[in-house]
Amino acid sequence: DQQVKQNSPSLSVQEGRISILNCDYTNSMFDYFLWYKKYPAEGPTFLISISSIKDKNEDGRFTVFLNKSAKHLSLHIVPSQPGDSAVYFCAASRGGGSNYKLTFGKGTLLTVNP
Amino acid sequence: GAVVSQHPSRVICKSGTSVKIECRSLDFQATTMFWYRQFPKQSLMLMATSNEGSKATYEQGVEKDKFLINHASLTLSTLTVTSAHPEDSSFYICSARRGTDLGNEQFFGPGTRLTVL
Repeated sequence: DQQVKQNSPSLSVQEGRISILNCDYTNSMFDYFLWYKKYPAEGPTFLISISSIKDKNEDGRFTVFLNKSAKHLSLHIVPSQPGDSAVYFCAASRGGGSNYKLTFGKGTLLTVNP
Repeated sequence: GAVVSQHPSRVICKSGTSVKIECRSLDFQATTMFWYRQFPKQSLMLMATSNEGSKATYEQGVEKDKFLINHASLTLSTLTVTSAHPEDSSFYICSARRGTDLGNEQFFGPGTRLTVL
C-alpha cells in the first residue's frame, strides 16, 4: 500500500518557466511533509517542508502548497533553472510516537531544458 | 549546518564477509538516525530507525541479525551488513533527524554503494 504517491515519473520544462511537481497521500495521520532533491549516486538534499497547520510555505524559488482536504501537495519552482534537473522526492511523516519516520514517494525526474 | 557524512562512499567485498558503514552528523546532535536502501530507479526504503543508546527498530522484512545497527553516540550510527551476499548489493543511505519544535527535517548522508561479488 503506497501511502505517498508521485504519479508523474518525469517532467520536462523550459528554463525560466515554472515547474510544478505533485504529490498525493492517503494517510490522514501525516502531519509534516517534505521535499527532497536527489542526484544519482548521492543522498537526498532537503529542499523545503510544510506542517499540516499551514497551506503554503515559501523559500526563495521554491514554494510548497498543501491541500489537506484533497490530501495533495505540490512543489513549485520558479523560475526553473537547468541546475534544478534532478529527481524530486515527496515525503511525509507523523510526529511523536511514530519516531518521525519518513514515507517517500517514488520520485519525479525533473528535466529543465536550456 | 546540518551536514551528514557517510563512510565509505563505495565498497566492494566478497560474498560472506561483513561490511561496516558509518554515518555521522557533523554539526548537530542527532538523537535519531535512519538507514535506507535504494534500488535502481526506485524510492528510498526505510530499513531501520536508530535511537542513541537503545536498540534499533527494524522495518518489516528487514533481518536485524543481518543488518546490525549501533547508535553509540549522538553523532554516530553504524550499519554492519553481516555475511554479505550479492543480493545485498545496493545503495545504502543514512539520515539524521534534527528535531525542533517546528520541524522534523531529516538530513541525508551522501550514500554508500555496496557491491558484493
